Amino acid sequence: TQLLEQSPQFLSIQEGENLTVYCNSSSVFSSLQWYRQEPGEGPVLLVTVVTGGEVKKLKRLTFQFGDARKDSSLHITAAQPGDTGLYLCAGEMEYGNKLVFGAGTILRVKS
Amino acid sequence: DAGVIQSPRHEVTEMGQEVTLRCKPISGHDYLFWYRQTMMRGLELLIYFNNNVPIDDSGMPEDRFSAKMPNASFSTLKIQPSEPRDSAVYFCASSLDRWGTEAFFGQGTRLTVV
Repeated sequence: TQLLEQSPQFLSIQEGENLTVYCNSSSVFSSLQWYRQEPGEGPVLLVTVVTGGEVKKLKRLTFQFGDARKDSSLHITAAQPGDTGLYLCAGEMEYGNKLVFGAGTILRVKS
Repeated sequence: DAGVIQSPRHEVTEMGQEVTLRCKPISGHDYLFWYRQTMMRGLELLIYFNNNVPIDDSGMPEDRFSAKMPNASFSTLKIQPSEPRDSAVYFCASSLDRWGTEAFFGQGTRLTVV
């Protein structure tokens, strides 16, 4: 059982569509990070959210940290083929000094 | 800076053989992490170092796995003897701080044990 559950596991959409990816847990996190990983490469950090309720925007990507710091979402507006990849959330556990990763969401944007 | 450098990129070995994966972190980063990624288990932390000292190796699956960091610019992850279930992509990452700051990942080593 994953400490961080990501959904959906797989998403295939057309260019221009909007989508939301979720990262949920019953545990509280001090911070939460979102990474994107392309085939044959390591994950690359997109954003770190720290405060409950925090919203951060990165061009067409909007990240939100839940008020209770147990969940997060990533919303992509007008998806592009370049957004294709594996999206991973990773939470810094409030107690236990660990960073745990979700299983990831595979996103495919078709042109 | 060239980023985190891992070698080899691909490794195919026979069961029972010793495998050594290598990592050069980004200069000036005090933390180095070894991760393993599989379809079944996702990305798992194996061990991390702070200033060349192993801090938490609770993620190392068995005694067959060992990691060293003899200096600030080099780390190894060794599997001896290797087994087919060790097949995975192994990532090394480094960062300035432990968790809250950005971890920079290498391109990974894809290990296949036959």
